[in-house]
Amino acid sequence: GAGVSQSPRYKVAKRGQDVALRCDPISGHVSLFWYQQALGQGPEFLTYFQNEAQLDKSGLPSDRFFAERPEGSVSTLKIQRTQQEDSAVYLCASSLVAKRTSTDTQYFGPGTRLTVL
Amino acid sequence: AQSVTQLGSHVSVSEGALVLLRCNYSSSVPPYLFWYVQYPNQGLQLLLKYTSAATLVKGINGFEAEFKKSETSFHLTKPSAHMSDAAEYFCADRGQGGKLIFGQGTELSVKP
Repeated sequence: GAGVSQSPRYKVAKRGQDVALRCDPISGHVSLFWYQQALGQGPEFLTYFQNEAQLDKSGLPSDRFFAERPEGSVSTLKIQRTQQEDSAVYLCASSLVAKRTSTDTQYFGPGTRLTVL
Repeated sequence: AQSVTQLGSHVSVSEGALVLLRCNYSSSVPPYLFWYVQYPNQGLQLLLKYTSAATLVKGINGFEAEFKKSETSFHLTKPSAHMSDAAEYFCADRGQGGKLIFGQGTELSVKP
């Protein structure tokens, strides 16, 4: 596709429900990142994939958060037993190359706004 | 810990006036710095990036930023603000593994 797409754009969940957020990166992009953006804050790193390998998950706030990218393209961020503090915009970004020293541009999707009631 | 600081959570300028958005970084290794813009309900769009090739970086929409190592700064400027520049602006540094470390953001308002 022309850019990074995310679905759903908006999600309302009751506390305790499980949610799954989808990211479709730009075709051919090797690297995929997930960020969490709380209201009025800058995005914060959650996790990083190089192809299907999850190389860094240091930003995941708890073991309720799980991400996967099984075929090296589409990625899903799953949040189990959602809590009110999980309310945020979840941003996905992809970049073409995989080198650790790369300054390659990360292209962001529009985000999924999650509201936990 | 590596961090990025944006001074001023909100900046208001008149249309046609100079825009100056401040960003300071803390990285002890050569930084790779980025400015992104975010319009309401949209993702982040890259304005420009510093990769050590030149200290003055020109970006899209008339924006530019100057890297000053002595001041650990990478401030964003535009000579003449336009109404369409009203948005949230984020400065970021590249962290380990390529992840971006963002500042808190600065909301730019442009008055007619």
